Amino acid sequence: QKEVEQNSGPLSVPEGAIASLNCTYSDRGSQSFFWYRQYSGKSPELIMSIYSNGDKEDGRFTAQLNKASQYVSLLIRDSQPSDSATYLCAVKNSGAGSYQLTFGKGTKLSVIP
Amino acid sequence: GAGVSQSPSNKVTEKGKDVELRCDPISGHTALYWYRQSLGQGLEFLIYFQGNSAPDKSGLPSDRFSAERTGGSVSTLTIQRTQQEDSAVYLCASSLRREPGANVLTFGAGSRLTVL
Repeated sequence: QKEVEQNSGPLSVPEGAIASLNCTYSDRGSQSFFWYRQYSGKSPELIMSIYSNGDKEDGRFTAQLNKASQYVSLLIRDSQPSDSATYLCAVKNSGAGSYQLTFGKGTKLSVIP
Repeated sequence: GAGVSQSPSNKVTEKGKDVELRCDPISGHTALYWYRQSLGQGLEFLIYFQGNSAPDKSGLPSDRFSAERTGGSVSTLTIQRTQQEDSAVYLCASSLRREPGANVLTFGAGSRLTVL
């Protein structure tokens, strides 16, 4: 059973601070990792993908990957109230069923003005 | 179309009734997924279609659930004899099967099912 673990939160940060979201996964062979943002009552939308160890930056967002530790993180700099949402970590399965993504339950982020 | 379209957006039904949920993926996307999201839970994989290949039905929770995809485009998820535990948001997603963007899923707005 492939698992993706996230702290459910809520994670509360003040506006302008850095929000740090973490994710661990069980499938050691996984090569592709994604962060989706889901606003309340809405569907998930992709905000970051990462495939190689290290950091990947896109605007205020930085994804970090450490395959040896089976750990993925998302940093949001200069957090805004509009960033308040649930962030879902998703991992592409390896081996059989490699077209599937396994999702974590999500971390709810609240940015306080 | 411009995005993944799902209908109905909301469905309230009585226990024991059958329901059909429809998904129209992004034009040209060959891969189509159904996920289920229950309150406070993560996304649960249900079924996967890729082109004309046999679908992966490994995530369907019981034989009351079935899905088809006609002409490699529109998909219908059918739940027979609905139970209260079937209440959830059913999300459809599609993607292009290409590297490095494989498995970049675009989700529809979902169909919220409530079984009374």
